[in-house]
Amino acid sequence: AQSVAQPEDQVNVAEGNPLTVKCTYSVSGNPYLFWYVQYPNRGLQFLLKYITGDNLVKGSYGFEAEFNKSQTSFHLKKPSALVSDSALYFCAVRSNQGGKLIFGQGTELSVKP
Amino acid sequence: DAGVTQSPTHLIKTRGQQVTLRCSPKSGHDTVSWYQQALGQGPQFIFQYYEEEERQRGNFPDRFSGHQFPNYSSELNVNALLLGDSALYLCASRSGGTGHSPLHFGNGTRLTVT
Repeated sequence: AQSVAQPEDQVNVAEGNPLTVKCTYSVSGNPYLFWYVQYPNRGLQFLLKYITGDNLVKGSYGFEAEFNKSQTSFHLKKPSALVSDSALYFCAVRSNQGGKLIFGQGTELSVKP
Repeated sequence: DAGVTQSPTHLIKTRGQQVTLRCSPKSGHDTVSWYQQALGQGPQFIFQYYEEEERQRGNFPDRFSGHQFPNYSSELNVNALLLGDSALYLCASRSGGTGHSPLHFGNGTRLTVT
């Protein structure tokens, strides 16, 4: 069965420091991996995706993610956090073309000045 | 270019009633999916529509049904509402031509069942 785990309910970071939001997945076959961000009372906004190729993927707003096949992980990173990055972050996996997205439980990122 | 639009934004219903939620996909998109997001949870897949047919379904009872129209817009219907149906219902669209394309989400409909 497909699954996504985000082991941290909340991540706290000081502005200007690097941030990491963790994600591990379980899927049969090649995974398609995604990160989304959700602001209060809003839908999800796409940040980045991994389909194939380079393990380091760059996305919107300075975010990047590193795909690690041996550890089945897809951690979200940013070199320097902003207060405006504070939001709810979701990792998701799709196991085949056109298939449903399986989301993690979400990680609340809080960036303090 | 309008993104995914959903209506209404908020809705309050009583147990046992029926509700219809509406979604217009992003321009150029032909595939529509619906997700249920309970408070504090990640979105859960309900079903996906393409070419006016339900193509894939998640683990939701038959009380949840949908429809896609020729203009690609979609409706989600929920019958015999339960308190547990209270959630944010998200519509998402993408181009069906490739599985690589990301989903674009609307802002959702907040359904409260009392």
